[in-house]
Amino acid sequence: GENVEQHPSTLSVQEGDSAVIKCTYSDSASNYFPWYKQELGKGPQLIIDIRSNVGEKKDQRIAVTLNKTAKHFSLHITETQPEDSAVYFCAASIGRGGADGLTFGKGTHLIIQP
Amino acid sequence: GAVVSQHPSWVICKSGTSVKIECRSLDFQATTMFWYRQFPKQSLMLMATSNEGSKATYEQGVEKDKFLINHASLTLSTLTVTSAHPEDSSFYICSATREETQYFGPGTRLLVL
Repeated sequence: GENVEQHPSTLSVQEGDSAVIKCTYSDSASNYFPWYKQELGKGPQLIIDIRSNVGEKKDQRIAVTLNKTAKHFSLHITETQPEDSAVYFCAASIGRGGADGLTFGKGTHLIIQP
Repeated sequence: GAVVSQHPSWVICKSGTSVKIECRSLDFQATTMFWYRQFPKQSLMLMATSNEGSKATYEQGVEKDKFLINHASLTLSTLTVTSAHPEDSSFYICSATREETQYFGPGTRLLVL
């Protein structure tokens, strides 16, 4: 089955700086890669996703890049703010995103230092 | 985004009892819903896929007789933890699919004493 590795497990950055979280996946058939933000005691919130037919997607301060050859994808957050502090999970799916369950990475605890 | 709700948000029960958790898609219909489990400070693990009108598909290692799933309508899936034991204590989260994207509910925290 699919295996998703995520690094780093903890990331501390100064407010205003950029944060980058990286994930690799094992199954070359995977073609859907979402990122979720989870705050303590709450369910995951989708922040951005990318499908295998594109290499990059951006939404305001958040961007995701995908390298299918190397089987890795990354989350980039620019101009970080205190409210960005949370646990971020990457995930991968073989299906188009809706028909198959997601395999998650272990998560990255992002800490924004004021 | 789409809205998914869960009820209850938390539940405490005695060992040996059964607990039912509801997952609803509030503003859309979902033929497919998923159930995940998350232990403290760990990632989400897929338990099963719930398809409206058919039997659920369980992941390897998940006991289908212990975790009963019913997806009776396009907006409701239920997970029943039968004969719960302390090791079943966890955060149970559902997701529903809308336009090829999974949206998650707020989760249900289960504590079995």
